[in-house]
This record gives sequence, C-alpha cells and structure tokens, in this order.
Amino acid sequence: GNSVTQMEGPVTLSEEAFLTINCTYTATGYPSLFWYVQYPGEGLQLLLKATKADDKGSNKGFEATYRKETTSFHLEKGSVQVSDSAVYFCAPSGSARQLTFGSGTQLTVLP
Amino acid sequence: NAGVTQTPKFRILKIGQSMTLQCTQDMNHNYMYWYRQDPGMGLKLIYYSVGAGITDKGEVPNGYNVSRSTTEDFPLRLELAAPSQTSVYFCASSASLLAEAFFGQGTRLTVV
Repeated sequence: GNSVTQMEGPVTLSEEAFLTINCTYTATGYPSLFWYVQYPGEGLQLLLKATKADDKGSNKGFEATYRKETTSFHLEKGSVQVSDSAVYFCAPSGSARQLTFGSGTQLTVLP
Repeated sequence: NAGVTQTPKFRILKIGQSMTLQCTQDMNHNYMYWYRQDPGMGLKLIYYSVGAGITDKGEVPNGYNVSRSTTEDFPLRLELAAPSQTSVYFCASSASLLAEAFFGQGTRLTVV
C-alpha cells in the first residue's frame, strides 16, 4: 500500500522566514498528492494538490511540485506569517481503498 | 454548503458505556473514513467504506464498529468505552481514491 514519510516537527520560524516541509512517498501506480492543513481545534482541509508528475500545486503562497523521479512532494512558502501556524499533513491518494496520511508537521510562526 | 457533518462535537463517557458518533455527508461521495487523532499525533484510520453496504477495517479497528446503510451516513459505534479511546475522531469523505478528502470538524471524546 501507499505510505508517506514526512519531516518531523515541531518547526518554529520567525515571520517572513522561508519554509520547507519535506515529504516523500511510496506508492503503486500514479497517485495524486495532497497537502492538508489543520488549524487548532479544526478538522483537516485541503491546502493544495497535484495530480501528475511535474505538476505544481499552489495556494495561499504555498507551493509543492510532484517529483516522480525522487517520489517527493515538498511544501514551500517564501515568507510565512503568524496565521500559517498549524499542522501540515502530506498525503498520497489512497491505494487498497484507503487514504494514507503522514504524521503531520507542527509549524509555529513567531511574530 | 454542509459538507461533512459530525455530531456530537464533545462527549464525556464513563468506562464501559457505549455511544455512536454520527457522520453524514451531502456530496454523494462513495468513500468515507473514520480516523482518530491522539494529542500531538497524526491520523490513524479506524474503518473505511467504499460505498453503501461495504465497510472494512483500517489500522486500529479494535473496540469500534461501523455500518454504511446509506451513501450519506457512516456512524461509528464504540462499545464498552475504555480510557484508551480518549481521542479526537474525524470523519472524512471523498469522491474517489484520487480525489481530495473532506473532513468534518471532529468529535472530542473523553473516557473517564
């Protein structure tokens, strides 16, 4: 089945710093790749996605590129804000009829 | 847009009690999932369903049961609650395995 290895947190950055959260996956076939974000006290919500190799997903200043050759989908943002403080989850689309999530990376952005 | 709705939002149970966590979605999604999230941890899959009448176990099914009699509803049943089941429970749905998942707001359960 699919699996994902995600950069462990917690990650603490100052406002306007550059963010990278690494994610590598193993999957059969050609999964779609997702980043979800969870704000405190809420459920997960989709941040961005990419459906095929070399696609770049982007949203709210975040970007991630589907790299099939390195099986990676690293999340980046050029200048983080305090409001970006949340937990971020990398997820390939499911195999064996299941959704698979990484362990999540806690991001705290300090003013 | 209702999306995925979970009830209740909070619940305290005594050891040995039973309860049902409700989940309903209005997007006509075939795939539905139940996860638990322990403090500071990621999501663990409890059960999932690929359509009405079809359910299967996930990573941590012990102590739980599910049913899927309609496309919209996917209730999670806890029998004989134990302190180890204290967690936040999330229901999710998706249109297909390649599509994004939509999550409910979660149910925070405490077993004392």
